[in-house]
Amino acid sequence: GENVEQHPSTLSVQEGDSAVIKCTYSDSASNYFPWYKQELGKRPQLIIDIRSNVGEKKDQRIAVTLNKTAKHFSLHITETQPEDSAVYFCAATRGSYIPTFGRGTSLIVHP
Amino acid sequence: NAGVTQTPKFRILKIGQSMTLQCTQDMNHNYMYWYRQDPGMGLKLIYYSVGAGITDKGEVPNGYNVSRSTTEDFPLRLELAAPSQTSVYFCASSYSTQGDQPQHFGDGTRLSIL
Repeated sequence: GENVEQHPSTLSVQEGDSAVIKCTYSDSASNYFPWYKQELGKRPQLIIDIRSNVGEKKDQRIAVTLNKTAKHFSLHITETQPEDSAVYFCAATRGSYIPTFGRGTSLIVHP
Repeated sequence: NAGVTQTPKFRILKIGQSMTLQCTQDMNHNYMYWYRQDPGMGLKLIYYSVGAGITDKGEVPNGYNVSRSTTEDFPLRLELAAPSQTSVYFCASSYSTQGDQPQHFGDGTRLSIL
């Protein structure tokens, strides 16, 4: 089955810096890669996703890049703000398969 | 649309008691899922369903049961509650015939077994 590894487990940055979280996957047939943000005590919520026919997608300060050859995808957050502090989860899936989640990255943005 | 609704939000159980965590969605999603999340940890899949009448085990099914009699509802049953089942439980749903749609999560049920 699919295996998703996510790094780093914890990321601490200063406000205004950029943050990058990387996930690698094992199943070359995976074709959908969502990212979820989970604030403390809240539910995970989709923030951005990318499909395998696209190499990059951007939404304001967040972007996701996908390298199908290397089987990895990354979340990029620019100009980080304290409200970006949360746990971020990546996932990978294909067809009718159940998504496989990474273990999560705790992002801490220091004012 | 209310999305995915979970009840109750909080519950304290005694060891050996049983209870049902309720989950309902109003988005006509065919896929539904139950996850548990221990403090500071990721999401572990307990059970999932790809449609009414169809359920299957996830990564950590022991001690739990599910049913899916309608598209909207996917209750999770705990029998003989144990302290190891203290966790936050999230229900999620997705419209997924091709696997490329995001999951929508409920607000969670915080369960303590004492």
